[in-house]
Amino acid sequence: SYELTQPPSVSVSPGQTASITCSGDNLGEKYTCWYQQKPGQSPVLVIYQDNKRPSGIPERFSGSNSGNTATLTISGTQAMDEADYYCQAWDSSTADVFGGGTKLTVL
Amino acid sequence: QVQLQESGPGLVKPSQTLSLTCTVSGGSISSGSYYWTWIRQPAGKGLEWIGRIYTRGSPNYNPSLKSRVTISVDTSKSQFSLKLSSVTAADTAVYYCARAVRSGSSAPFDYWGQGTLVTVSS
Repeated sequence: SYELTQPPSVSVSPGQTASITCSGDNLGEKYTCWYQQKPGQSPVLVIYQDNKRPSGIPERFSGSNSGNTATLTISGTQAMDEADYYCQAWDSSTADVFGGGTKLTVL
Repeated sequence: QVQLQESGPGLVKPSQTLSLTCTVSGGSISSGSYYWTWIRQPAGKGLEWIGRIYTRGSPNYNPSLKSRVTISVDTSKSQFSLKLSSVTAADTAVYYCARAVRSGSSAPFDYWGQGTLVTVSS
């Protein structure tokens, strides 16, 4: 079955750039989405089709995908960005699959 | 504004069948542009895709759950449903319904329900 691997945690100082990676076999050949989930809330789509932002998502969120790794980048990270982030892709054998999630700490 | 709302029992006994319904408002569940999806999240853990249904096709299920899962849709009520049989404590989780936009090989989840906690316990 297809698997996506994320680091369990990432820390960043306010105003700096945070990068969260998601790894999977030939992931660059698939579209990747990213979701933000704050405690007690439902996930929110922040990036789709590797690098597109839904309406209402700040420009500081961006994405890329190449080779075996997709990356979510948050520029000028704010305290409100502290959350869990999940990558997601579709594979013909597993259908939709999520990464294990990364806890972003802004300190 | 599209809204999704899960409903169903919050407590299910081991070996029984978990049944949940998601009511969709603010948009047409009959639209061929979307997959209607169930996702779950055990406490403190990550998201797990359960399966999806497309009103003009057959449902797709997570291979690890396929033998126990049934997803159906009732367009007249603007609802879709999840049944998970032979549940154990490992099925205790927050269950979300979500809408996925059909777009080639990509289907991002753009709207989510608030989630409902289902506990499996005797």
